[in-house]
Amino acid sequence: GQQLNQSPQSMFIQEGEDVSMNCTSSSIFNTWLWYKQDPGEGPVLLIALYKAGELTSNGRLTAQFGITRKDSFLNISASIPSDVGIYFCAGQEGSGNTPLVFGKGTRLSVIA
Amino acid sequence: KAGVTQTPRYLIKTRGQQVTLSCSPISGHRSVSWYQQTPGQGLQFLFEYFSETQRNKGNFPGRFSGRQFSNSRSEMNVSTLELGDSALYLCASSPPGQGYEQYFGPGTRLTVT
Repeated sequence: GQQLNQSPQSMFIQEGEDVSMNCTSSSIFNTWLWYKQDPGEGPVLLIALYKAGELTSNGRLTAQFGITRKDSFLNISASIPSDVGIYFCAGQEGSGNTPLVFGKGTRLSVIA
Repeated sequence: KAGVTQTPRYLIKTRGQQVTLSCSPISGHRSVSWYQQTPGQGLQFLFEYFSETQRNKGNFPGRFSGRQFSNSRSEMNVSTLELGDSALYLCASSPPGQGYEQYFGPGTRLTVT
């Protein structure tokens, strides 16, 4: 089935640094979402994107829906220790009832 | 509003047994989706239920089944468990008309020995 390529797989950064991660697909998506998963918990929705070129922020997080509709980016500014976790991108190819496809995640570690 | 709840949180079963997992969606959400999460494969879509009907199905064998009740609560069942079924099983619910916004529960960690 459809797969999303998410990179990098893992990152080790210093507290205060900015972080960038991205997700690409081989086909066009109509919706992109970014989730964060903490250990022992389910993923939590961070940002949802609905239009090509859209740039949306949620606090220190900013995500963009790529203009080709085949990619999306997530940036975290001024990272803090609680940013540690696994970040997943997810996309939806078709209409509102089409299942989401998830990337394999980017594991973020923050060194204080 | 209370979040998505899943029971049990942890489960240990033996190969060949069957298991039933339960999910209660956020109040007002009628769509419930199930996912299997493993380190190697990531989040894999199992199936989605809406108004007691299976609306979408992922690429899993028939040993994996589910159902949804009139109060939107959902159960999934795995029969004849295999070692490879060990995983975190996540349930997610969606608001009406926004099936792409999934709100996840904490998951059930299933270990098959």
